[in-house]
Amino acid sequence: GEDVEQSLFLSVREGDSSVINCTYTDSSSTYLYWYKQEPGAGLQLLTYIFSNMDMKQDQRLTVLLNKKDKHLSLRIADTQTGDSAIYFCAETPDNYGQNFVFGPGTRLSVLP
Amino acid sequence: GAGVSQTPSNKVTEKGKYVELRCDPISGHTALYWYRQSLGQGPEFLIYFQGTGAADDSGLPNDRFFAVRPEGSVSTLKIQRTERGDSAVYLCASSFKEKGQDQPQHFGDGTRLSIL
Repeated sequence: GEDVEQSLFLSVREGDSSVINCTYTDSSSTYLYWYKQEPGAGLQLLTYIFSNMDMKQDQRLTVLLNKKDKHLSLRIADTQTGDSAIYFCAETPDNYGQNFVFGPGTRLSVLP
Repeated sequence: GAGVSQTPSNKVTEKGKYVELRCDPISGHTALYWYRQSLGQGPEFLIYFQGTGAADDSGLPNDRFFAVRPEGSVSTLKIQRTERGDSAVYLCASSFKEKGQDQPQHFGDGTRLSIL
């Protein structure tokens, strides 16, 4: 079945860039997503990329997709303390009616 | 409100009891999903509705779990004879989904279920 992997922890200093990486196994993935989860809250959609794109930029967020290597990354520029959260990568297969497969999440800690 | 609403936000009950968790999706969203998130893990798919019907229930762990969406809007996740291992945060999501048009899922804040 599908599998999504992420490193579990990342620490950066405030003002630096953060890069969160994700690998997936399903080559038929149509969309790949990044969600943010703060303590006690649900998942907040940050951004997503269609599989025929290799880059998407949205303000401080840049998503890079290497479809050949099945590697997705999320770069957060000028990381702030409010960015501290768990970031989940998720993918949907190329089938109508299928569900998301989530990675285990990367806990980002932003140090002052 | 404009988002996905889940009630209750917290539920504590004893082992063996029956629980119902409710989800109000975003108005107009055709698809509704239930996920379970255990501590330190990503959400795990349980069931997906398109309209009133369960299009995919392959994630339900066993027959103690059941979900309905009778009018194609609100959904209820039902757990019978609860066990301590059922303790988790149950997340609901909704999206507008039709063949050829797939929109992102929007999540509620979840129901934290604790089985004593």
